[in-house]
Amino acid sequence: SAVISQKPSRDICQRGTSLTIQCQVDSQVTMMFWYRQQPGQSLTLIATANQGSEATYESGFVIDKFPISRPNLTFSTLTVSNMSPEDSSIYLCSARDNEQFFGPGTRLTVL
Amino acid sequence: QQPVQSPQAVILREGEDAVINCSSSKALYSVHWYRQKHGEAPVFLMILLKGGEQKGHDKISASFNEKKQQSSLYLTASQLSYSGTYFCGTESGDDKIIFGKGTRLHILP
Repeated sequence: SAVISQKPSRDICQRGTSLTIQCQVDSQVTMMFWYRQQPGQSLTLIATANQGSEATYESGFVIDKFPISRPNLTFSTLTVSNMSPEDSSIYLCSARDNEQFFGPGTRLTVL
Repeated sequence: QQPVQSPQAVILREGEDAVINCSSSKALYSVHWYRQKHGEAPVFLMILLKGGEQKGHDKISASFNEKKQQSSLYLTASQLSYSGTYFCGTESGDDKIIFGKGTRLHILP
């Protein structure tokens, strides 16, 4: 199974600033995804991070707010831009070949 | 479209059995089951592919009825370590897994 690491593990940010979350997988994977999870809630798919092309966003998420990069088959970043308190959540990176695994998450608090 | 899980929550005594159901209004290619403990990332349990198969390991197994677009997760002789929130995720051929709202399972000693 793939091992996924994320940085930072948590952060507290001021309104209006941006945060970039990094995701590193220990092996090459076909697909990478970014999810958001509010405490006690389900996992909501933000976007599919496509290697070498623009990410594919789900309804309600836009590139200007959540720009995503995927420069190779083991690494991706998610930026949360112009943050507001509503962006406070846990952001999870996920990688998939046959099975899909999750990183430990980044707990973001926006003040 | 988000799959529907039932029940929302279950409380069991150690050694009892539980069934968690997952249904979708869309045709499914695969169903994925995860367990998440508080403060941790979801942990992959198993994947069931189109074909109506049943899988299992240890005392946890699952079935997938593609015609009914339903899957069930079976936990037999539950252990304290089984406590957590169980999520089913469904994929409809577009490589994206959409998760249900989860089923909270609490095992009492």
